[in-house]
Amino acid sequence: DGGITQSPKYLFRKEGQNVTLSCEQNLNHDAMYWYRQDPGQGLRLIYYSQIVNDFQKGDIAEGYSVSREKKESFPLTVTSAQKNPTAFYLCASSINTGPGQPQHFGDGTRLSIL
Amino acid sequence: GQQLNQSPQSMFIQEGEDVSMNCTSSSIFNTWLWYKQDPGEGPVLLIALYKAGELTSNGRLTAQFGITRKDSFLNISASIPSDVGIYFCAGQNNDMRFGAGTRLTVKP
Repeated sequence: DGGITQSPKYLFRKEGQNVTLSCEQNLNHDAMYWYRQDPGQGLRLIYYSQIVNDFQKGDIAEGYSVSREKKESFPLTVTSAQKNPTAFYLCASSINTGPGQPQHFGDGTRLSIL
Repeated sequence: GQQLNQSPQSMFIQEGEDVSMNCTSSSIFNTWLWYKQDPGEGPVLLIALYKAGELTSNGRLTAQFGITRKDSFLNISASIPSDVGIYFCAGQNNDMRFGAGTRLTVKP
């Protein structure tokens, strides 16, 4: 089945630690995205990638980093510089970033601080 | 970045009732989308709208793309318990902006 797989489902971070969230898609989509979701708020864009080896900052990129070495994979690293990392993180993909191309989402990773 | 104004924030309804929620923006969008999110899962696309004035149905769900291109609404008819969840609107140009969601509770 085609889809977007995020792992792990739950992740705990210690102070000063970097953690990496995995996102894999087998939809052959060029574009991939990372969003952060906090209670009572809409999704906020962290980073997006239009194509392999390219990525752009979103609205709240500070304290995060990404890579796009393969079309299928777009991992997100939450660095120690992100002072409020507790949130639900959602990965999405679309055929491309053009208008009219809906984004499809994975099931998310919930990150908490120990 | 600009977020969308989605209302109501939450709704508590009886099974069988109809539901209406809407989304407005000060900016024009070329595409409007509606997603549903169940607890602990990612949003699932319900309906995508591509033209101003477009009215599209998906089962008991009906959504419209406002004529001004600055708003959209979603109706759910004859609600059932599995309609419970958070409904998000999204406006798309080259990027996508989301509303804060409408939390729907359906009482049997």
